[in-house]
Amino acid sequence: AQSVTQLGSHVSVSEGALVLLRCNYSSSVPPYLFWYVQYPNQGLQLLLKYTTGATLVKGINGFEAEFKKSETSFHLTKPSAHMSDAAEYFCAVSDQGGSEKLVFGKGTKLTVNP
Amino acid sequence: DAGITQSPRYKITETGRQVTLMCHQTWSHSYMFWYRQDLGHGLRLIYYSAAADITDKGEVPDGYVVSRSKTENFPLTLESATRSQTSVYFCASSPLYEQYFGPGTRLTVT
Repeated sequence: AQSVTQLGSHVSVSEGALVLLRCNYSSSVPPYLFWYVQYPNQGLQLLLKYTTGATLVKGINGFEAEFKKSETSFHLTKPSAHMSDAAEYFCAVSDQGGSEKLVFGKGTKLTVNP
Repeated sequence: DAGITQSPRYKITETGRQVTLMCHQTWSHSYMFWYRQDLGHGLRLIYYSAAADITDKGEVPDGYVVSRSKTENFPLTLESATRSQTSVYFCASSPLYEQYFGPGTRLTVT
């Protein structure tokens, strides 16, 4: 069965610093990978996705992620953090493609310090 | 407005009562999902549906019932609410690959 591990339940960065949120997955078939963001008292919003093709994926709000098959990783980065990036971030994997079930990581709460 | 909506947004109920959480999407997506979100557990899938009249269990289905008579609606019923079902419930729909989430229902069982 597929699984997702997000390293670090809490990450704190200074405004303007690099954001790096780590995600490793296990999957028996080529995965489809997703990052979602959740602001307080809201639902999850899709940040970006990898299905096929280019391994560096750009998303909304200046975020990007790189699919590295050899490392089974899909880390999320943003060159310069903004106060508005403070939220919880979830990595998810679907190894069935299509609209099958997603397996979510437990989330990483990002704090941005002024 | 197009999108996915959930109602009610907040609900307090007593142990043993039946409660139904509603989910409605305007995109005509085939797949719909119900999750619960709890501290320390992340998101856990309760039930999902591939199309009208087709539903299947997820990771934590006990104590919940779903139905899907129309593509756009996917209600979740707690037949006899328990305190352990206090949680935030999210509905999602999917056209292909990614899922789109509703705003959530915060349910408290006293």
